[in-house]
This record gives sequence, C-alpha cells and structure tokens, in this order.
Amino acid sequence: GAVVSQHPSWVICKSGTSVKIECRSLDFQATTMFWYRQFPKQSLMLMATSNEGSKATYEQGVEKDKFLINHASLTLSTLTVTSAHPEDSSFYICSASPGFSNQPQHFGDGTRLSIL
Amino acid sequence: GDSVTQMEGPVTLSEEACLTINCTYTATGYPSLFWYVQYPGEGLQLLLKATKADDKGSNKGFEATYRKETTSFHLEKGSVQVSDSAVYFCALSDGANSKLTFGKGITLSVRP
Repeated sequence: GAVVSQHPSWVICKSGTSVKIECRSLDFQATTMFWYRQFPKQSLMLMATSNEGSKATYEQGVEKDKFLINHASLTLSTLTVTSAHPEDSSFYICSASPGFSNQPQHFGDGTRLSIL
Repeated sequence: GDSVTQMEGPVTLSEEACLTINCTYTATGYPSLFWYVQYPGEGLQLLLKATKADDKGSNKGFEATYRKETTSFHLEKGSVQVSDSAVYFCALSDGANSKLTFGKGITLSVRP
C-alpha cells in the first residue's frame, strides 16, 4: 500500500533551535500534504494544508512564521519549527493525499519533538 | 461545519470480547468516512473506509457500515485480541484533497 515516510522520528533540541521535519510520499505523487500536531492523549489538530508549488494554508491560531511549510515537489513537504521553545514540544504527524477522488490520506509515523 | 463525535473512553475488554465503538458525524455534503488506528508511539494507519451510504468497510476483522439515516459509522469486531490495543479515530472527509475531520479518539485496551 501507499507509504509516507517521515523523518526524523524523534528529536531533542535546545531552546532556540530551528528543527526541520521531512515528509515524503514514497510510491505516489502527493498533490496535497497535511501537517498535524497531537498533544498527549488527544486527537490530531490540523496545522496546515500544503499544495505542491503554492503557499500553505494555515488553520486559525497557527503561526505561519513559527511553523514554516514548504512543498517543493510532489513527493516532499517540510515543516520547520523556527526558534523552538519548550511549549512547541509535541508529536507532529504529516499525511499525504494522491489527489484522486475517494483516496484516503496516508500518514507518516510521526515525529516526537522535545525542546529542552 | 463538519464534526465527528466518538463515544467517551477509555475502553477495557478481555480478549475475545465483542467490541463496538460508536461514531456519529455531522456534515453538509456526502462525506467519506474512515476509521484510523494509532499504535503507541506511531502515526495513524487507515483501518477501513466507506465512501457512500450503506457501504461496509472491513479489515482485520473490524467492520463499520455507513448509515446515512442515523449519520453513524460505528466500529465493530466480534472477538478482540491483545494486539488490537490502540487508539481508534473516526474521521470524515468531504472530498479529494479535503481536510480530515477527526473525532477525539478512544483508547482500547485488551487484556489477556
């Protein structure tokens, strides 16, 4: 089945560091990718939707200058958490959609980000 | 707007017990419905889906039927296993490339 690879799976950084997370669709072209944030024992919160070659659409309350999203190709989207602080610590999950009618999103395994 | 409501959890069952996890939805159009499963420390995996009324999605012994009249998509399994312990999310999408709207998720623990 469709596979989405997310890297890194786990990262620990000092406060003030910028962290980049990659999301790749391995066997299909993803016209749209989504970035979610998940707090412990809670549901997924959609942060933004990115379409290849265009600017990402951010959900209300998500700082676009804080969470930079780039979707430069049909197989790669990146999320950069800029100047990360402890409150940015969370589980970040990406998903990708091939864009065909009724095809579900396919999720990466997530990135656990811990900011010290 | 669209919304998904799942029954409150957590749920703890003994192995081989029968499982039902309720899910109801509100949508303006004709959404596709999904169940995703999340194992500890991992991302989400698609468990099953249904794209139109009366469709039944099934996978790994789990089933869910798209009921338009009751706007429901309850997840069922006749005999759960310890390996089914995970968090289960009900979700809807109103079209290709559209956002997924998730329920809050429910934790299932199956004891031997």
